[in-house]
Amino acid sequence: TQLLEQSPQFLSIQEGENLTVYCNSSSVFSSLQWYRQEPGEGPVLLVTVVTGGEVKKLKRLTFQFGDARKDSSLHITAAQPGDTGLYLCAGGDTDKLIFGTGTRLQVFP
Amino acid sequence: EPEVTQTPSHQVTQMGQEVILRCVPISNHLYFYWYRQILGQKVEFLVSFYNNEISEKSEIFDDQFSVERPDGSNFTLKIRSTKLEDSAMYFCASSVRTGLEKLFFGSGTQLSVL
Repeated sequence: TQLLEQSPQFLSIQEGENLTVYCNSSSVFSSLQWYRQEPGEGPVLLVTVVTGGEVKKLKRLTFQFGDARKDSSLHITAAQPGDTGLYLCAGGDTDKLIFGTGTRLQVFP
Repeated sequence: EPEVTQTPSHQVTQMGQEVILRCVPISNHLYFYWYRQILGQKVEFLVSFYNNEISEKSEIFDDQFSVERPDGSNFTLKIRSTKLEDSAMYFCASSVRTGLEKLFFGSGTQLSVL
């Protein structure tokens, strides 16, 4: 069974701080996706990483796929209150995604 | 941006009753999915649907669950005889194709089984 563990589970920081969220598995994934979910809404795709070692940037967000394609990280620079939400990693093909346990981020002004 | 639409947003039902959750996927999408999220737990895959048949389903998707695309626009999830443990947020999703294609999720239906 493929599992994705995220850490930390909860993160509360002040505006302007940097943070990193981790997504780890003992299994190899063909790709990993990162989603953000706000209360009462469905997950919204942020990025897909495919190649081991790949780094993608989305404004202040930097995503990295581990060389062995078993782990990924999301780094946010200078966090803002608008970054508050639940961040989910998900592995596998779109046909059957396996979601991680989630990291709930709260950014205080 | 186009949206996946789900109705109702909230559904309350008695244990043992049948419920139908409705979804209107994005119009040019061909692949359709149901996921669920029990409160405080992770999002779980239920079923994928393509070309009018189930392409993959999880262990959760037992005989009490069924999916249908009755009219070319709606995509429904039916739970025949609801159990307390079926209480969850149910998300419909769609994509143009499978593989690494972007998955669009609806806002979900919160199902409460009493």
